[in-house]
Amino acid sequence: DAMVIQNPRYQVTQFGKPVTLSCSQTLNHNVMYWYQQKSSQAPKLLFHYYDKDFNNEADTPDNFQSRRPNTSFCFLDIRSPGLGDAAMYLCATSRDAGGTYNEQFFGPGTRLTVL
Amino acid sequence: SQQGEEDPQALSIQEGENATMNCSYKTSINNLQWYRQNSGRGLVHLILIRSNEREKHSGRLRVTLDTSKKSSSLLITASRAADTASYFCATPREYGNKLVFGAGTILRVKS
Repeated sequence: DAMVIQNPRYQVTQFGKPVTLSCSQTLNHNVMYWYQQKSSQAPKLLFHYYDKDFNNEADTPDNFQSRRPNTSFCFLDIRSPGLGDAAMYLCATSRDAGGTYNEQFFGPGTRLTVL
Repeated sequence: SQQGEEDPQALSIQEGENATMNCSYKTSINNLQWYRQNSGRGLVHLILIRSNEREKHSGRLRVTLDTSKKSSSLLITASRAADTASYFCATPREYGNKLVFGAGTILRVKS
């Protein structure tokens, strides 16, 4: 089945220790997104890629970086995690960026704990 | 900035009852979407309604859209315990490549 896969599902890191979360998709979608979701809150968009074009949200901290080496994979790098970065990180894809075809398909998420 | 606002924040009903959730938004849109999120999981797309549509059905789901009032509602009929989840409305921002999610409604269906 075509899907969005996130690894790992649970990640524990230490304060200040870099961590990388990964996302892969078999949908062959143009657009990939990374969201941060804290408890009982709406998902907050960090950035997205349209093909190879990177689009950062204005309020995304510099501590968060992303890489998309090919259509299928996208990575979220947190250079120096702080306690406030503990959250669920959701990866999503969509077929196209515009028009009405912007339904997003989400992975199961990676829950990040920072000790 | 948050585009969608939802109410109620939480809803608790008995199995078999209907559940209605509302969403309001601020700017013009070309579509509005509803998503479900089970606890600790990713979001699942439920339904998309275009700005020229007033009502849409999918199984036990009914979505309405009133662009004059900038509001939408999601009705789940004959609810089941498995419907227990958070429900989010989402609207496109800018040219539609980004979605802005409302704060969500937590639905609990008691069996």
